[in-house]
Amino acid sequence: NAGVTQTPKFQVLKTGQSMTLQCAQDMNHNSMYWYRQDPGMGLRLIYYSASEGTTDKGEVPNGYNVSRLNKREFSLRLESAAPSQTSVYFCASSARTGFYEQYFGPGTRLTVT
Amino acid sequence: AQSVTQLGSHVSVSEGALVLLRCNYSSSVPPYLFWYVQYPNQGLQLLLKYTTGATLVKGINGFEAEFKKSETSFHLTKPSAHMSDAAEYFCAVSVSNFGNEKLTFGTGTRLTIIP
Repeated sequence: NAGVTQTPKFQVLKTGQSMTLQCAQDMNHNSMYWYRQDPGMGLRLIYYSASEGTTDKGEVPNGYNVSRLNKREFSLRLESAAPSQTSVYFCASSARTGFYEQYFGPGTRLTVT
Repeated sequence: AQSVTQLGSHVSVSEGALVLLRCNYSSSVPPYLFWYVQYPNQGLQLLLKYTTGATLVKGINGFEAEFKKSETSFHLTKPSAHMSDAAEYFCAVSVSNFGNEKLTFGTGTRLTIIP
């Protein structure tokens, strides 16, 4: 039982390049989330998927797109990376939204030069 | 909209001393409240949560928190700090929204334990 897995762990991009961050969970959870963590700002929600087939914007969606590929997988795409997107990205999942515990992946450290 | 304020971005306590990490929330409806902990280079994990019922909530590793509606607070405490408690702690709030709830995190408090 791996929980939430994320790939890659580290990535360096040049401005304007694109990439997709992958996330998968094996807990049969309905809800999945993408956060970014920046020093002094806590975690901010980028996008989330309350259930398979739905996605919604969070607090900071600009410059990102997501795909809920199936119940297990939720990917985050940067179409044209900018230095402001340098951050640590976390994927999380929960049984449902609301008061259910969120389980976090180990994170992806992204640097955009 | 809900929000969370964590007072003190850095807190240092001596090993064996009381740990007190402060969290105040803002919400127009009854909140769900959470404390998460993040160890270096890891994701977050749940320490404890308040949904309804008993206002004193016990979590893992000897931590507890008390929901005080009149003070809009949810402070995290541990009677005796251990070196392994050194980490960053995040308070978070969510409110019921017809299956569309989102967590809002505070900016975090980094806890340092002095030997």
